[in-house]
Amino acid sequence: GAGVSQTPSNKVTEKGKYVELRCDPISGHTALYWYRQSLGQGPEFLIYFQGTGAADDSGLPNDRFFAVRPEGSVSTLKIQRTERGDSAVYLCASSLGPNTDTQYFGPGTRLTVL
Amino acid sequence: GENVEQHPSTLSVQEGDSAVIKCTYSDSASNYFPWYKQELGKRPQLIIDIRSNVGEKKDQRIAVTLNKTAKHFSLHITETQPEDSAVYFCAARRDDKIIFGKGTRLHILP
Repeated sequence: GAGVSQTPSNKVTEKGKYVELRCDPISGHTALYWYRQSLGQGPEFLIYFQGTGAADDSGLPNDRFFAVRPEGSVSTLKIQRTERGDSAVYLCASSLGPNTDTQYFGPGTRLTVL
Repeated sequence: GENVEQHPSTLSVQEGDSAVIKCTYSDSASNYFPWYKQELGKRPQLIIDIRSNVGEKKDQRIAVTLNKTAKHFSLHITETQPEDSAVYFCAARRDDKIIFGKGTRLHILP
């Protein structure tokens, strides 16, 4: 079946602009995760959704970052007033449910803030 | 919170030899330890995982060992092949948060 998909694959924006990154999890997966991966680093946890609610948003770096999952499927990561330091690959992953082991990653969105 | 350290950051081995990557974790409540392989420009792919109630797990040329007392776990790749060249990440999970190591870039030399 279809895996996790993310759009866009690449996003170039200017400092100060607003961006939205979209994640489509595997159908039927109730758990959804956002990570940020900077060059040469491992994925860094941002936020976890179980269903529609954010169960853990402790990884969001500041209040410019926000994520929603209104219907418990597609999720959108929103970044306001982008800064050059936000440039990274933003990865989404999903798993079958809470405390289910395997997380399946999407291909990521490469965000470049000029 | 959880902290995962991974060593070495870069590893070169001759084709056919074995490769070992080591990780330590800090939170004794972590109970699940996956390993991911990431090729350049691609998404991380799970290659093997181990739960805290198991000491060792093997899948063909790949094996993982876990020492809960010492809070460290290792990835072993035997009979390495060119397609094993990639970046490997260890990770530790407590509840639903997975914390990743910084990765090991593995080069398989011809």
